[in-house]
Amino acid sequence: DAKTTQPPSMDCAEGRAANLPCNHSTISGNEYVYWYRQIHSQGPQYIIHGLKNNETNEMASLIITEDRKSSTLILPHATLRDTAVYYCIVRSDNAGNMLTFGGGTRLMVKP
Amino acid sequence: NAGVTQTPKFQVLKTGQSMTLQCAQDMNHNSMYWYRQDPGMGLRLIYYSASEGTTDKGEVPNGYNVSRLNKREFSLRLESAAPSQTSVYFCASSDRDRGDYEQYFGPGTRLTVT
Repeated sequence: DAKTTQPPSMDCAEGRAANLPCNHSTISGNEYVYWYRQIHSQGPQYIIHGLKNNETNEMASLIITEDRKSSTLILPHATLRDTAVYYCIVRSDNAGNMLTFGGGTRLMVKP
Repeated sequence: NAGVTQTPKFQVLKTGQSMTLQCAQDMNHNSMYWYRQDPGMGLRLIYYSASEGTTDKGEVPNGYNVSRLNKREFSLRLESAAPSQTSVYFCASSDRDRGDYEQYFGPGTRLTVT
């Protein structure tokens, strides 16, 4: 599976959009981009995933560049409860079902 | 639905002791996983089970054994605990029939080995 690079930490003001970047320059054509988050001491929580097209659900939007070498997770109106570590993961369907978690980005939402 | 449950929530062991961490899911998922998370680190996969009756090694399997008891339950055993196994252990499950896109995680077991 391709490696990902994320900034170690970011701050965001409450109510503003949080834009979390991820680089995955070695991504292959059959690899999906996943985002999970981990709120302090809890198990990780799935947020969203995509292959080529931009995706949106009730939690977030995922923007994938046309060359697929990077992506951005957008939380449109961040709240204090969105403070967490966000993991960008690249995985293919035939990867033995494994998710490989890197260091992630620690997002701090401030009042 | 309770989702993924894990027992115990906390455990302290002495070096050389053994224990089994229990995990159960009530979502009828085919795939189950055990991860460990060391302080300040991301999760690392220990073992996984793609279906009842099968298990495979992940990234860090040494020192652990697993049993997929039935479709609901997947246990992780430490035969002879070592301080390096001090960690938080997470169990997860996913629905292979839906492509395993989303893994559901349990609340974790915090293990300290002294």
